[in-house]
Amino acid sequence: GNSVTQMEGPVTLSEEAFLTINCTYTATGYPSLFWYVQYPGEGLQLLLKATKADDKGSNKGFEATYRKETTSFHLEKGSVQVSDSAVYFCALSKTSYDKVIFGPGTSLSVIP
Amino acid sequence: DAGVTQSPTHLIKTRGQQVTLRCSPKSGHDTVSWYQQALGQGPQFIFQYYEEEERQRGNFPDRFSGHQFPNYSSELNVNALWLGDSALYLCASTREGSLSYNEQFFGPGTRLTVL
Repeated sequence: GNSVTQMEGPVTLSEEAFLTINCTYTATGYPSLFWYVQYPGEGLQLLLKATKADDKGSNKGFEATYRKETTSFHLEKGSVQVSDSAVYFCALSKTSYDKVIFGPGTSLSVIP
Repeated sequence: DAGVTQSPTHLIKTRGQQVTLRCSPKSGHDTVSWYQQALGQGPQFIFQYYEEEERQRGNFPDRFSGHQFPNYSSELNVNALWLGDSALYLCASTREGSLSYNEQFFGPGTRLTVL
């Protein structure tokens, strides 16, 4: 079945450090890929998405590229801020209204 | 636009009881999905409602049931609660045929604790 695997946390970085959170997926066909973020005490927010191979999603300085050959969608940011502290979920969906399948989440803490 | 709203925010029940959670989708949205997020885990899909019918269902027992009303709002019912049902329950909405490809908007969730 379809699944998402992402690096285990927690991840602790100093402010302005470079961030990479690895994500790989297993799916038949060509799913859409997402990164969601969950700030403490809040619901999920869509951070970025990519709907086909080689697409790059970007938002708020975060980027991820849909790599079909490696079935990966790694999240990167060049310079993290304290306000980026949250839990990040990699996810996929097969069709425009299909269920979203989430990875286990990676907790990020950014210290001043 | 209020976005997706859920009620109540928190709920405490005892084993064997029944619970009803409510969700109002984002304005203009007609499809509602429910997810269960256990502590420290990613959300798991429970089911999805469209046109007042259950369209998809995840791997959850029949104790989990739902309903969608003509105004697109939705309820999640859980019968015979057990400790393992303690979780954050998230509601997400989207609009069929939306140009924003499958961008599901999530509510803040209802935190259910079963004692």
